[in-house]
Parts: sequence; structure tokens; C-alpha cells
Amino acid sequence: GDSVTQMEGPVTLSEEAFLTINCTYTATGYPSLFWYVQYPGEGLQLLLKATKADDKGSNKGFEATYRKETTSFHLEKGSVQVSDSAVYFCALRAGGSTLGRLYFGRGTQLTVWP
Amino acid sequence: DVKVTQSSRYLVKRTGEKVFLECVQDMDHENMFWYRQDPGLGLRLIYFSYDVKMKEKGDIPEGYSVSREKKERFSLILESASTNQTSMYLCASRGMRQGNSPLHFGNGTRLTVT
Repeated sequence: GDSVTQMEGPVTLSEEAFLTINCTYTATGYPSLFWYVQYPGEGLQLLLKATKADDKGSNKGFEATYRKETTSFHLEKGSVQVSDSAVYFCALRAGGSTLGRLYFGRGTQLTVWP
Repeated sequence: DVKVTQSSRYLVKRTGEKVFLECVQDMDHENMFWYRQDPGLGLRLIYFSYDVKMKEKGDIPEGYSVSREKKERFSLILESASTNQTSMYLCASRGMRQGNSPLHFGNGTRLTVT
């Protein structure tokens, strides 16, 4: 079945460090891929998305590229800030799905120190 | 902006009680979802609804039921609360008019069953 595997946390970085959070997926067909972020005490919010192979999603300095050949959608940021401290979730929606349910990874806690 | 409102931020209930978690969205979205979030397990889908009076089981429906009598409201019901239902519950909605539109989440209800 459809599933997402993301790297285990927690991840702890100093401010301005480079961030990578790995995400790989299993799906039939051509899924859409998402990264959501959850700040402390809040619900999830969409960070970025990509809907087809080789698409790059980007937002707030974060980027992720949809790699069909490696079934991956790794999240990167060149220089993290303290305000990026949050839990990050990779997710997929099955290709052709009209019901819209998402399959989520287990989440990766990121803590950035000043 | 889409607003998804969960009626309670924190709830404490006793084992065996019937518990109602309410969720309201203001964007006329067709799809609504209930997830629970547990450390190390990520988000797991309990139930979803693709329209009024329609419902589908997710991955972990046991011990839960749902109600969708009006389009804007999706209720999660714990028929007889148990301690293993202590968790964070997240409601989400999605409109069907835009292809690949994201899920919009509420801020969550943290339920403790004692």
C-alpha cells in the first residue's frame, strides 16, 4: 500500500546550518507529495508540495524535489533559523485520488539553537 | 484564509464516558478528516467524510464513530473512552474545486482519558 518513510529525529542544529530531512515513499501510480510543518501548540500547515516528477516545491527558504527514480522527496534548507524549530511531516496523496486522504510519515522534530 | 476550528483545546474525560470532539470549517469544503497524532507514530487516519452524511473508515476506526449532518461540521465520537485513546486529535478539511488542494488543519484537541 501507499506509505511514507522519513528520517527519525530529533534533529538538532545550530542557526545558519544546512538542513536535510530525508523522505522516501511507496505508491502505485504517480502520487502528489507534500511537506507539512507543525509549530508548537498548533495544527499542521502546508509548507510545500510537488505534483509530478522533477517538480520542485519551495517556500520560506525550504525546497524539495520530486524524484521518481529514487522515490524521494527530501526537504532542504540552506540556512536554518531558530524560528524553524518545529515538527516536519512528509506526506503523499495517491495519484488519481479524489477523496484527498494523505498518508503521513512519522514526523521529524527539528530544534535549532541560536 | 480557511479556518478549521476544533471546539476544545484540552479535554479530560473518565474511562467509559462518551466523548464528542467537534470540528467546524468555514470554506464549504467537501472532504473532512479526523487524525490522531501520537509520538513516534505520526498521524493516523481514523475516519473521513467526502460529503454530508457520507463517511469512510480510515486505518484505525475501532472505538470511534463519526457524524456529518451538515457540510461544515464533522464530529468524532468515542463511544466509551479508554485510556489508550489518550492522544492529540486533529481535524482537517479539503475542498474539491481545486485540483490537488492541500489539507487545512485545526489546532488539535488534546484528550486525556483517566
